[in-house]
Amino acid sequence: DQQVKQNSPSLSVQEGRISILNCDYTNSMFDYFLWYKKYPAEGPTFLISISSIKDKNEDGRFTVFLNKSAKHLSLHIVPSQPGDSAVYFCAAKSVAGAGGYNKLIFGAGTRLAVHP
Amino acid sequence: KAGVTQTPRYLIKTRGQQVTLSCSPISGHRSVSWYQQTPGQGLQFLFEYFSETQRNKGNFPGRFSGRQFSNSRSEMNVSTLELGDSALYLCASSRGLAASSYEQYFGPGTRLTVT
Repeated sequence: DQQVKQNSPSLSVQEGRISILNCDYTNSMFDYFLWYKKYPAEGPTFLISISSIKDKNEDGRFTVFLNKSAKHLSLHIVPSQPGDSAVYFCAAKSVAGAGGYNKLIFGAGTRLAVHP
Repeated sequence: KAGVTQTPRYLIKTRGQQVTLSCSPISGHRSVSWYQQTPGQGLQFLFEYFSETQRNKGNFPGRFSGRQFSNSRSEMNVSTLELGDSALYLCASSRGLAASSYEQYFGPGTRLTVT
């Protein structure tokens, strides 16, 4: 049961254009969302996050949008650069039930290729 | 500040064997989480240790176990290896519990191949 879904396994974008990576979730109790970037042979690195009380968070070329009613978030990269080519994972924090602990749940990832 | 280190980086084992992977977190970080990454499945959460106690556990069989030492270093053990255990195993450290909005820092991973 995948609670966090990244339905596009890959995305190809031309340098200078906008990259839009999408993520859907099923659990309305998620209250915090994160994006990670992963280069080959390296571990994922934190990119940007957003709390469920916001609908947008911006950091330089990266902006994350959250649509709670649609249970959808997206990461926009503008302008895209060849160095942005990597696998991007979205993650959501789940609220634990009684006696449990919160956990982070990751999507399967989207491979972004930015071409010169 | 040194990052998260994982040893070994690559490992080849045979079905039925057991394996132990090691993770050294960033200095000062008390939480270590372990993930399994396979193609198409993303990062599957295994477990999290904080202050030497397992605080959280994913949906993996009991063949997967772990522990954390007083210096916050952590080990993960997989017994009776199966072909499907072939994956990249990532550990991540954070100052506090991973899901308490603390940023996680990942190591480069250990690539395990089971033949």
